[in-house]
Amino acid sequence: GAGVSQSPSNKVTEKGKDVELRCDPISGHTALYWYRQSLGQGLEFLIYFQGNSAPDKSGLPSDRFSAERTGGSVSTLTIQRTQQEDSAVYLCASSFQGGLAFFGQGTRLTVV
Amino acid sequence: GENVEQHPSTLSVQEGDSAVIKCTYSDSASNYFPWYKQELGKRPQLIIDIRSNVGEKKDQRIAVTLNKTAKHFSLHITETQPEDSAVYFCAATSGGAGSYQLTFGKGTKLSVIP
Repeated sequence: GAGVSQSPSNKVTEKGKDVELRCDPISGHTALYWYRQSLGQGLEFLIYFQGNSAPDKSGLPSDRFSAERTGGSVSTLTIQRTQQEDSAVYLCASSFQGGLAFFGQGTRLTVV
Repeated sequence: GENVEQHPSTLSVQEGDSAVIKCTYSDSASNYFPWYKQELGKRPQLIIDIRSNVGEKKDQRIAVTLNKTAKHFSLHITETQPEDSAVYFCAATSGGAGSYQLTFGKGTKLSVIP
């Protein structure tokens, strides 16, 4: 596609449920990032994929969070047993070899 | 890994005045420095970037300067307008061998007072 696409745009889930957030990067982009942004806050780095290299998972806040990137393209961020503090906007970005990054519109997650 | 510090965290200026946001980075191998603007409720979008072989770059009212020796770079906005109000993020790219990673600062909330 022409830009980074994320789905769903909004997700409301009950505490304790699992959620999957999807990111479809720009075609040909080798690098993919996930960030979390709470209201009025900065960009909290979660995970970084670059080509076939092992991902940098240093930002994942707990073992309830995991991410995959299949075939070097689409990525899924999974949050298990969601908690209220997981409520935030989850942003995905992609770039070619880590250069200029383009962001998706984000997924607003609300845990009730 | 790379560490990017950004200051100030908030900045208020009168319309027409200039605004300056400063960032420092830790990895001397970093070679690409983009700036992003995030308006309320929207995604961050690139407004200007600079590479390590350039000391300054301008685009209309926006300029970025880079001092590689001191490992800092700054965003300058002149003749500020209310629509400049947003959160600005600096970033630095470091790495090598085809694996470059972008590290962001914590952001500066700029308010332009009419």
